[in-house]
Amino acid sequence: KAGVTQTPRYLIKTRGQQVTLSCSPISGHRSVSWYQQTPGQGLQFLFEYFSETQRNKGNFPGRFSGRQFSNSRSEMNVSTLELGDSALYLCASSFNVGGTPEAFFGQGTRLTVV
Amino acid sequence: SQQGEEDPQALSIQEGENATMNCSYKTSINNLQWYRQNSGRGLVHLILIRSNEREKHSGRLRVTLDTSKKSSSLLITASRAADTASYFCATDNSNSGYALNFGKGTSLLVTP
Repeated sequence: KAGVTQTPRYLIKTRGQQVTLSCSPISGHRSVSWYQQTPGQGLQFLFEYFSETQRNKGNFPGRFSGRQFSNSRSEMNVSTLELGDSALYLCASSFNVGGTPEAFFGQGTRLTVV
Repeated sequence: SQQGEEDPQALSIQEGENATMNCSYKTSINNLQWYRQNSGRGLVHLILIRSNEREKHSGRLRVTLDTSKKSSSLLITASRAADTASYFCATDNSNSGYALNFGKGTSLLVTP
């Protein structure tokens, strides 16, 4: 079974630009969640989607948004990039139905804002 | 906000020794998972323990959970240099949906 795939692996953007990151979950998994990892704040929850609906949202500004498609693939978008948005963005997929809550992560997208 | 806190922040041992990492959390949970991360790469799922379980084993890993103390421990027996990584605990306490709360992690160094 293929794992969670995140694209691209690396991105360099300029302040003020916007960026879209993509995540393809494990086949059959309908829950996709996103996390930001920085040295200062550690791993922080951004949001979670299940069957195209956002079920949970972390404490991030509205510049951070996401969506999920009917095939469970998910994208997250960050608009008006700031230097502090430089981070490793991780996507996790989970079956999360019938008592199988394990979350499996992709390799992440390393975003650098200059 | 961070839910879990790992202890110690850093641990250095020699190959063959056991490594124990602890995790404390603040609110009631549905389950607790342990992950490993190598050099800023993705998180590798190690083991999940549910709130009604007290102990779980997987290969060289042993996890305990004490919900009365809101704490968990991860024991890696007979450590290898390849176990060098950061280890995180993550709790899920969402009533709806799915959201993991991570601690800041323990950095483990295993020297040959």
